[in-house]
Amino acid sequence: DVVMTQSPLSLPVTLGQPASISCRSSQSLVHSDGNTYLNWYQQRPGQSPRRLISKVSNRDSGVPERFGGSGSGTDFTLKISRVEAEDVGVYYCMQLTYWPLTFGGGTKVEIK
Amino acid sequence: EVQLVESGGGLVQPGGSLRLSCATSGFTFSDHYMGWVRQAPGKGLEWVGRSRNRAKNYITEYTASAKGRFTISRDDSQNSLYLQMNGLKTEDTAVYYCIKNSDYWGRGTLVTVSS
Repeated sequence: DVVMTQSPLSLPVTLGQPASISCRSSQSLVHSDGNTYLNWYQQRPGQSPRRLISKVSNRDSGVPERFGGSGSGTDFTLKISRVEAEDVGVYYCMQLTYWPLTFGGGTKVEIK
Repeated sequence: EVQLVESGGGLVQPGGSLRLSCATSGFTFSDHYMGWVRQAPGKGLEWVGRSRNRAKNYITEYTASAKGRFTISRDDSQNSLYLQMNGLKTEDTAVYYCIKNSDYWGRGTLVTVSS
């Protein structure tokens, strides 16, 4: 199985400051069709996960522009340009290139 | 509006069975892959399995933890997805989410396996 490793585990951030989460895969996520299937999800306390980003950098409808995804191959990043109070929660990356699909362990974003 | 509503969770003894359902609306069910993801209390997310769409002959795929014990089925006429869970273990205790492709998630249903 593809192992997804996220860092940091916990990310205390000051309101209005940027935040960055890393996600690394144990093998390249480039699919034979040329796409890279790496998604990012946000799970607010007490809620279901919500997809923020698909295929590395495509923001979902309704997702604020302060969220951005980047990366390639085995190395990916989710950046929040200016953290707001509603961004508190756990963020997960997930690869969809190989079955079984696998998630990273999660990064908890909290306000300092 | 896409909606996914899970039901069927509850308390079951080790070795027991449970059938979860996911009622959907707001999209053409047969066109989409559907799956189940679970989250143990205070833990991360884990895939259980998925059903491919009609174009892919509804092929089902499972993770190692589910293979041989869990079965995913779907009823396109009812726009519903199911998860039959047999031989339940305490480590299967989790919130089970129904998921459409990789985009929409239901609110989940809690399964507790305990004596």
